Amino acid sequence: DQQVKQNSPSLSVQEGRISILNCDYTNSMFDYFLWYKKYPAEGPTFLISISSIKDKNEDGRFTVFLNKSAKHLSLHIVPSQPGDSAVYFCAASTGTYKYIFGTGTRLKVLA
Amino acid sequence: DTAVSQTPKYLVTQMGNDKSIKCEQNLGHDTMYWYKQDSKKFLKIMFSYNNKELIINETVPNRFSPKSPDKAHLNLHINSLELGDSAVYFCASSQATSGGAETQYFGPGTRLLVL
Repeated sequence: DQQVKQNSPSLSVQEGRISILNCDYTNSMFDYFLWYKKYPAEGPTFLISISSIKDKNEDGRFTVFLNKSAKHLSLHIVPSQPGDSAVYFCAASTGTYKYIFGTGTRLKVLA
Repeated sequence: DTAVSQTPKYLVTQMGNDKSIKCEQNLGHDTMYWYKQDSKKFLKIMFSYNNKELIINETVPNRFSPKSPDKAHLNLHINSLELGDSAVYFCASSQATSGGAETQYFGPGTRLLVL
């Protein structure tokens, strides 16, 4: 009963191009969504978030889009850089100190 | 200067032993968490503590006992370790705001291997 799914375990993108990471969820009660980035042997670090009352949030090269009717969110990285190579997790919350994480997508940005 | 620190980083032990993992945060946050990342890389919440009070316990076996002596610390004690407990355990903290709009700060993880 995985409520947050990242169906692409890996993604390779050329440097300078756009990276699009996708996340689907099943629980319509989720009201807050976050993206985390994780390097090997480190803990996840926060990247960007979005509230369910919005459909887009932008921070520099990172933009998160939320489509509530499709229960889908995506993270766009433009332009992609080699330092962006990491595992990206999406997470969702109903605002009760409980966060459900997806299984992650490994992004490789090729120089 | 580490915001969220965990000790030890690596832990190798025999089945049946009891072990503890310590977590400390110096961010002044009032909420702390323990997560388990298993071999399939699935990051799953185990416990949430707010102001030293247990808020979330995600059907974790009672061999796992978290203890929060103060808001800056959340330790995890595991009794009678089993092979399936082998995983990476992450501690995290956040500052509660209304509506659950909190950013969690994670520690570097503790890699536990049970033989």
